[in-house]
Amino acid sequence: KAGVTQTPRYLIKTRGQQVTLSCSPISGHRSVSWYQQTPGQGLQFLFEYFSETQRNKGNFPGRFSGRQFSNSRSEMNVSTLELGDSALYLCASSLGYSGANVLTFGAGSRLTVL
Amino acid sequence: DQQVKQNSPSLSVQEGRISILNCDYTNSMFDYFLWYKKYPAEGPTFLISISSIKDKNEDGRFTVFLNKSAKHLSLHIVPSQPGDSAVYFCAATGMYSGGGADGLTFGKGTHLIIQP
Repeated sequence: KAGVTQTPRYLIKTRGQQVTLSCSPISGHRSVSWYQQTPGQGLQFLFEYFSETQRNKGNFPGRFSGRQFSNSRSEMNVSTLELGDSALYLCASSLGYSGANVLTFGAGSRLTVL
Repeated sequence: DQQVKQNSPSLSVQEGRISILNCDYTNSMFDYFLWYKKYPAEGPTFLISISSIKDKNEDGRFTVFLNKSAKHLSLHIVPSQPGDSAVYFCAATGMYSGGGADGLTFGKGTHLIIQP
């Protein structure tokens, strides 16, 4: 069974631009969570979507947003990019809510902001 | 405020010996704990978990111990193998208490290096 697929795997943007990252969860998984990984902060929770609704959100500015489609695929968007947004963005899916289920992660999208 | 702490950024262990990775937490609402393992250029993969009603959970070479009074857990790998070289993340959630509203809370990770 296919795992969690994230696209693109690598991308380079400049400050002020915006970026959209995509995540296809494991078939049948209804929850998609997003995490940001940086060397200094480890993995930090961005938000979780379940059945097209944002269930909860981490402590990130409003420039970070996301959505989930009816087929459970999810996208996250970062507007007005800053240098500090350079990170590995990880998507994870689970059958139910992330707080009650084991997460399966994708390989991540490596964003570099110049 | 970091609610899950892994105080050792790296750990070097000889092949065949025991690897012990430590994790401390501060949030009393956490009642379910997980360890994930991450290789470079891959996403984290689930390794083992433990709920707060237990103090030990074992899966092959991997054992997780939970000391609730000390708010401390540890992952033991016996014997350590070269393929165990990876970054290990400790994570916590309030699965039963409802304190898991913010997804999983991860530590910053410990880079385990198994030396031949």
